[in-house]
Amino acid sequence: SQKIEQNSEALNIQEGKTATLTCNYTNYSPAYLQWYRQDPGRGPVFLLLIRENEKEKRKERLKVTFDTTLKQSLFHITASQPADSATYLCALARRVSNYQLIWGAGTKLIIKP
Amino acid sequence: EAGVAQSPRYKIIEKRQSVAFWCNPISGHATLYWYQQILGQGPKLLIQFQNNGVVDDSQLPKDRFSAERLKGVDSTLKIQPAKLEDSAVYLCASSSGTSDYEQYFGPGTRLTVT
Repeated sequence: SQKIEQNSEALNIQEGKTATLTCNYTNYSPAYLQWYRQDPGRGPVFLLLIRENEKEKRKERLKVTFDTTLKQSLFHITASQPADSATYLCALARRVSNYQLIWGAGTKLIIKP
Repeated sequence: EAGVAQSPRYKIIEKRQSVAFWCNPISGHATLYWYQQILGQGPKLLIQFQNNGVVDDSQLPKDRFSAERLKGVDSTLKIQPAKLEDSAVYLCASSSGTSDYEQYFGPGTRLTVT
């Protein structure tokens, strides 16, 4: 079965620096990959989607890359701010009729002022 | 636009009791999902509806969990009887389609089974 690995330890970044989060997967290549943000006591919030034939996607200070050879996606936040502190989840869409999402456990990001 | 609504927000029950959670998705969203999120883990899909039909319930423990989405709008998830390992946050999400669509999540219901 598909296994997804995200940094299990919290990532501490100084404000203003670029934060880079990793999502590695095993086995089959997903149809697409999504990144979500989750704050304590709240449901995940969608950030970006990247398809298998796309190398990079950007949205404001966010950038996602997708390398199907390395079986890895990287999520970058440039000019990070304390408000960016949260847990970031990656989710892979299976190649089945309902494109079921398989979720990673998330990486907790802490931006220090 | 109103978001996904869930109730209750918190529930504490004893093992072997029953519990029900309610979800009202974003208006017009045909697809509704129920997820279970155990502390420190990512969400795990329990059941997916397309309108009022079940698309995927392969990971739903059907001996104790049930869900319905009458009239293709709001939905109820029930656990009967509850076990200690059911302690988790139950998230409801909706989307306007199945493929390539972002999912919109409610705040979740935190269930504690003692």
